[in-house]
Amino acid sequence: DAGVTQSPTHLIKTRGQHVTLRCSPISGHKSVSWYQQVLGQGPQFIFQYYEKEERGRGNFPDRFSARQFPNYSSELNVNALLLGDSALYLCASSLGFLTDTQYFGPGTRLTVL
Amino acid sequence: DAKTTQPPSMDCAEGRAANLPCNHSTISGNEYVYWYRQIHSQGPQYIIHGLKNNETNEMASLIITEDRKSSTLILPHATLRDTAVYYCIVRDLTGNQFYFGTGTSLTVIP
Repeated sequence: DAGVTQSPTHLIKTRGQHVTLRCSPISGHKSVSWYQQVLGQGPQFIFQYYEKEERGRGNFPDRFSARQFPNYSSELNVNALLLGDSALYLCASSLGFLTDTQYFGPGTRLTVL
Repeated sequence: DAKTTQPPSMDCAEGRAANLPCNHSTISGNEYVYWYRQIHSQGPQYIIHGLKNNETNEMASLIITEDRKSSTLILPHATLRDTAVYYCIVRDLTGNQFYFGTGTSLTVIP
């Protein structure tokens, strides 16, 4: 069975640009969460979506936004990129919302120059 | 906020059991303890989780103390492929949000 997939695997942008990262959950999973992991730290929670609605938001600026589509795939958008946005962006999916294990994708490595 | 405390690093000899401790003294009665591991620059891999009872699966065993204030992840026969950062997480049940700390970097030595 296919796991969580993310695209692209690597991305280089310059300051001020916009980026869109994509995630496809495990088949049958209805919840997607996004995490940011900067070098040397553990992943930090950004957003959680379940049944196309936002169910949780971490402490990130409004430059970060996300959405979930009817097929449960998801996009993370970041506007006005800063050097500090350089990180590994991880997507995780789970069957449901409150009580289910999250399974992570391989991540998208974003470098902002 | 992360509610767990883990040692920053540990070594283990190949073939021996690796015992990774975690303190979660503020855990609530309905909060689960989860363990994930992350091999360099890959996505975190789910290992095991538990609430009160000890748990075992094909990867590891999880021992939770009776007062639930700490737990230990046991890899029974560590291999070189078990070298990774191991995260102990208390899942917040107000939402399915995982708060990672900095984890324990386990090095398995040949």
